[in-house]
Amino acid sequence: EPEVTQTPSHQVTQMGQEVILRCVPISNHLYFYWYRQILGQKVEFLVSFYNNEISEKSEIFDDQFSVERPDGSNFTLKIRSTKLEDSAMYFCASSRTGGELGIYSPLHFGNGTRLTVT
Amino acid sequence: AQSVTQLDSQVPVFEEAPVELRCNYSSSVSVYLFWYVQYPNQGLQLLLKYLSGSTLVKGINGFEAEFNKSQTSFHLRKPSVHISDTAEYFCAVGGYSTLTFGKGTMLLVSP
Repeated sequence: EPEVTQTPSHQVTQMGQEVILRCVPISNHLYFYWYRQILGQKVEFLVSFYNNEISEKSEIFDDQFSVERPDGSNFTLKIRSTKLEDSAMYFCASSRTGGELGIYSPLHFGNGTRLTVT
Repeated sequence: AQSVTQLDSQVPVFEEAPVELRCNYSSSVSVYLFWYVQYPNQGLQLLLKYLSGSTLVKGINGFEAEFNKSQTSFHLRKPSVHISDTAEYFCAVGGYSTLTFGKGTMLLVSP
């Protein structure tokens, strides 16, 4: 069964450094998402992406964050200047359809990237 | 606005015992409800979903959930758990292109 793959599984970085988290969504999916989970807290929505642009973003997704689909397969999340509070598990997800229809096309999640900011 | 409350952060049970994981939600729009499971070192996997129709929803691995609109609940149940069900379980409510998750409930099954 096709999977969403994320690399690396664990990234350690120093405060103030830039990080790029990478994801390869399922090949025929059109909608892409990033979620994160700070240890002990809820899984939180960050951003959704469709047709090469952001379709929705949360308050967490400020100017320090950006997403990109640089080629036909990768979907990346960049954090420009990491802060200690960015330490979390970051999940990429994809779905075949989106919007209200996206609810009928379940999100498929990757295994996550654990980001540790020191 | 939508929110999900999972009242129990951890539920310990013995193998072959029944289990119920509780979930309450609030939503100002159409309600779509989900349960996801996360096994150690893995991603979130969809267990089951409620979109419309029958309020009793059956999912994978013998799990089921019941949508109760009057109590705004979507509790997850399994009549007999296995060791392999040890995992974290997340309830989520769906909105336009996003999911709002609860904090998760860790199900610990022991022999």
